[in-house]
Amino acid sequence: KAGVTQTPRYLIKTRGQQVTLSCSPISGHRSVSWYQQTPGQGLQFLFEYFSETQRNKGNFPGRFSGRQFSNSRSEMNVSTLELGDSALYLCASSFGKGTNTEAFFGQGTRLTVV
Amino acid sequence: GENVGLHLPTLSVQEGDNSIINCAYSNSASDYFIWYKQESGKGPQFIIDIRSNMDKRQGQRVTVLLNKTVKHLSLQIAATQPGDSAVYFCAESNTGGFKTIFGAGTRLFVKA
Repeated sequence: KAGVTQTPRYLIKTRGQQVTLSCSPISGHRSVSWYQQTPGQGLQFLFEYFSETQRNKGNFPGRFSGRQFSNSRSEMNVSTLELGDSALYLCASSFGKGTNTEAFFGQGTRLTVV
Repeated sequence: GENVGLHLPTLSVQEGDNSIINCAYSNSASDYFIWYKQESGKGPQFIIDIRSNMDKRQGQRVTVLLNKTVKHLSLQIAATQPGDSAVYFCAESNTGGFKTIFGAGTRLFVKA
């Protein structure tokens, strides 16, 4: 079956702009989590959505937001981009119900803010 | 952030040797632990997981050990191969929380 698909793979934006990243989970998975990966801070949890509801949130400013659609696809948005937002943004999908289960990651979107 | 970034620890091993990668986790309430492998240009890939009611779990060439007393997790890779070269992350989570916290990662180099 198809894996987790993230689009676009690469993105260059200017400071102050906003950006929307997309994640299509594995078919049947209802949980989508987003992570930011940078060399200095490692993999940091942004938020997790399940059945269109945000279930958990990390310690990121309000400029970072997300949503999930009825087909479990998810988007994350970053407004008023800063240079420090340059990172690899990863999403992971899982069944997300009951006890935790294995999460599958996409290849990520590499965002560069200039 | 919740996992403080440090320079990435590196482990260098000879092909065919066994590798042991260690991880300390932070939350006593965590009851689900996962090891991921990340190769350059790719997203993390699940290797093996373990729940807190176990202290050892084996997969193909990999074994995860969990010591809840000292909040320590380790990944053992048997007969390490060049294809095992990657960054390895441990992650902790708790049932119902669905919030996974990742460690800083360890870079494994396998010398041929």
